Amino acid sequence: DGGITQSPKYLFRKEGQNVTLSCEQNLNHDAMYWYRQDPGQGLRLIYYSQIVNDFQKGDIAEGYSVSREKKESFPLTVTSAQKNPTAFYLCASSIDVPGPGEAFFGQGTRLTVV
Amino acid sequence: AQSVAQPEDQVNVAEGNPLTVKCTYSVSGNPYLFWYVQYPNRGLQFLLKYITGDNLVKGSYGFEAEFNKSQTSFHLKKPSALVSDSALYFCAVRALPFKAAGNKLTFGGGTRVLVKP
Repeated sequence: DGGITQSPKYLFRKEGQNVTLSCEQNLNHDAMYWYRQDPGQGLRLIYYSQIVNDFQKGDIAEGYSVSREKKESFPLTVTSAQKNPTAFYLCASSIDVPGPGEAFFGQGTRLTVV
Repeated sequence: AQSVAQPEDQVNVAEGNPLTVKCTYSVSGNPYLFWYVQYPNRGLQFLLKYITGDNLVKGSYGFEAEFNKSQTSFHLKKPSALVSDSALYFCAVRALPFKAAGNKLTFGGGTRVLVKP
């Protein structure tokens, strides 16, 4: 059963901690994305990757880091430098060949700072 | 820089009436346009896309959208709305060439649709 899996579904972070959100896809997609969604808000792009071992900053990359060591995995680390990390985080992937297809989304991770 | 505008935060419609959710975009070159729907505490689900060809695109669950290049719009429509269509709807754009450095998928702010019985 193909798709994108995000884990955990809920995550609690203490002040000053780094946490890592997992995103795995078995769709053989080249491109992967991380978005942040605040209550009642749209999606803001954090990072995206078009190929293994390469990624670009999105609109709100400060306080976040990513890696793309494998095609199927694109973990997001929320560092202590991110001052307001409480949000809903969405991972997505898409195929680019022969043309940009639609993005497929995971079910999201809700991060709360306690 | 590319951008998407959804001018209405919320659209209210009675069940059985036509539903329209507006979207305008700004992008260099030709756009790839998408509509997604989001239910509470869930990820986004793909509804339809415009790549090229016919300006009227048909998608899932009876939704369709019309691409208008001169008005840079891609409005989502459904002839007869259902209560179950109540959700948050997002328009998104990607520009060509899609492999260019810095290219990305950009979303609008979302429009909440409330269909009343």
